Amino acid sequence: EPEVTQTPSHQVTQMGQEVILRCVPISNHLYFYWYRQILGQKVEFLVSFYNNEISEKSEIFDDQFSVERPDGSNFTLKIRSTKLEDSAMYFCASKWVAGVADTQYFGPGTRLTVL
Amino acid sequence: AQSVTQPDIHITVSEGASLELRCNYSYGATPYLFWYVQSPGQGLQLLLKYFSGDTLVQGIKGFEAEFKRSQSSFNLRKPSVHWSDAAEYFCAVGAKGNSGYALNFGKGTSLLVTP
Repeated sequence: EPEVTQTPSHQVTQMGQEVILRCVPISNHLYFYWYRQILGQKVEFLVSFYNNEISEKSEIFDDQFSVERPDGSNFTLKIRSTKLEDSAMYFCASKWVAGVADTQYFGPGTRLTVL
Repeated sequence: AQSVTQPDIHITVSEGASLELRCNYSYGATPYLFWYVQSPGQGLQLLLKYFSGDTLVQGIKGFEAEFKRSQSSFNLRKPSVHWSDAAEYFCAVGAKGNSGYALNFGKGTSLLVTP
């Protein structure tokens, strides 16, 4: 069964450094998402992406964050200057079509630790 | 604003016993409700979803959930738990955005299954 993959599984970085989290969505999917989960808290929506542009973003997704689909397969989340509070598990998800009827498929997550 | 509450952070069940995980939502319109499961090292996997129609929804792995509008609940049930069901369970409500539906998650319930 096709699946969403994410790399790396764990990323450790120093505060102020830039990080790029990578995701390979399911190949025929058109809608892409990033979520995060801070330890002990709920999974939170960050951003959705369709047709090479952001379609929706949450309050968390400020100017320090950006997303990109640099080629036909990868979907990346960049954090420009990491803060301690960016430490979290980051999940990528994809789906085929718009609308609630379609399922979002999630990757295994990248654990980001900011020191 | 919509929200999802999972009142139980941890639940312990004996193998073979029945299971009910609670989920309450707050949403102004008809909600689109989901249950996801996350096993260690794995991504979030969809167990079942509710959009409309029959309020008792069947999912994978023998799970079912019942939508009760009067109680604003969407509790997940399984008649007989297996050791492999030990995982983190997330309830979520779909939020209509510009495209697709961003998911609004609860904090999750960690299920431990004892022999």
